[in-house]
Amino acid sequence: AQSVTQPDIHITVSEGASLELRCNYSYGATPYLFWYVQSPGQGLQLLLKYFSGDTLVQGIKGFEAEFKRSQSSFNLRKPSVHWSDAAEYFCAVGIRSNDYKLSFGAGTTVTVRA
Amino acid sequence: KAGVTQTPRYLIKTRGQQVTLSCSPISGHRSVSWYQQTPGQGLQFLFEYFSETQRNKGNFPGRFSGRQFSNSRSEMNVSTLELGDSALYLCASSLGQGGTNEKLFFGSGTQLSVL
Repeated sequence: AQSVTQPDIHITVSEGASLELRCNYSYGATPYLFWYVQSPGQGLQLLLKYFSGDTLVQGIKGFEAEFKRSQSSFNLRKPSVHWSDAAEYFCAVGIRSNDYKLSFGAGTTVTVRA
Repeated sequence: KAGVTQTPRYLIKTRGQQVTLSCSPISGHRSVSWYQQTPGQGLQFLFEYFSETQRNKGNFPGRFSGRQFSNSRSEMNVSTLELGDSALYLCASSLGQGGTNEKLFFGSGTQLSVL
């Protein structure tokens, strides 16, 4: 069955420390891959996406993600976290045959401590 | 340019009632999709519309329905509300043909509480 897994429900990180959020997918072929962020009381905002080509993609707010086909992973990273990065992060996939929907992981809540 | 607008922001209903939620996409966006977000199930796809046509529907009972108007605005309706329908309902729009490779722009959602 197709699935998107974010193994970490909650991560706490100190301000200025690095952050890595994990995402694994299970699909027949490499899907379109996305990371979205949701701040409290808000909708989701796209951080970055991967379709093909360079496996390291840069996004907004200093985030980057690396696609690893052999591990079916698309992990999100940020070298130095700011207090404003406290939010919930969702990995999402869309299949290339196009069924007009995204499948989301369960999300990882990031808490930033001073 | 205004973002995706969802109204109302909050709703409180009782079991058995019905509810209609509204979504106005970003001007020029023709694809509108809806997602249900709950703490237990996360984000679940409800349906997607393009040019007034529903192109896909998620695994939800027939009590959940929607439509899209000629100006791309969309509504979703939930009839005979159940406690489990309590959720944040998110609407998203995209600029192109609604493909799964497109960036979605989300509204802030409608928080529905069923008592």
